[in-house]
Amino acid sequence: NAGVTQTPKFQVLKTGQSMTLQCAQDMNHNSMYWYRQDPGMGLRLIYYSASEGTTDKGEVPNGYNVSRLNKREFSLRLESAAPSQTSVYFCASSESGRNTEAFFGQGTRLTVV
Amino acid sequence: KNEVEQSPQNLTAQEGEFITINCSYSVGISALHWLQQHPGGGIVSLFMLSSGKKKHGRLIATINIQEKHSSLHITASHPRDSAVYICAVSTPHFGNEKLTFGTGTRLTIIP
Repeated sequence: NAGVTQTPKFQVLKTGQSMTLQCAQDMNHNSMYWYRQDPGMGLRLIYYSASEGTTDKGEVPNGYNVSRLNKREFSLRLESAAPSQTSVYFCASSESGRNTEAFFGQGTRLTVV
Repeated sequence: KNEVEQSPQNLTAQEGEFITINCSYSVGISALHWLQQHPGGGIVSLFMLSSGKKKHGRLIATINIQEKHSSLHITASHPRDSAVYICAVSTPHFGNEKLTFGTGTRLTIIP
């Protein structure tokens, strides 16, 4: 019962480097999300995907791109990392529709130096 | 003002104490979620509720829709309950739902 799996768990990047955070879920959920968590702030939505083949911007999309590769996988790419992107990133998934429970991955702690 | 406010921000209590964490929100919601985050760990959903009260083991969640307020209670608290508890609300968003999160309450239970 893996649920939502994120990789890597930790990453240190130099400013300007690129990387992709991977996320996969095995619950056959349509909706998938990427959030970032910063000290003193609630989780903020970066991008979401309501179904395979669709993606939409969230609250803080600048500096990120996403790909919904298939129903299971939703990746987040930083093309040119900046120190302001130092954060903990969470992937989540849920059923479509209303009043559905969200399931979260273990998080990726990213530091950009 | 944030759409979701939690109080207190930090709470330290002795093992066995009854714990209450509060959440107030300012928008119309579909549901309210209580989540738990252990240090260095992922986020786990504890409750999702749209009315009344739910209980799971020593945890109880209540919501008052008219007052736009929810509480999470922990009875007979234990050190393993030490975690950050996050309140989030679901609101309709283009046929799906959007989650808006509070900043969390850091709970520490001392043996």
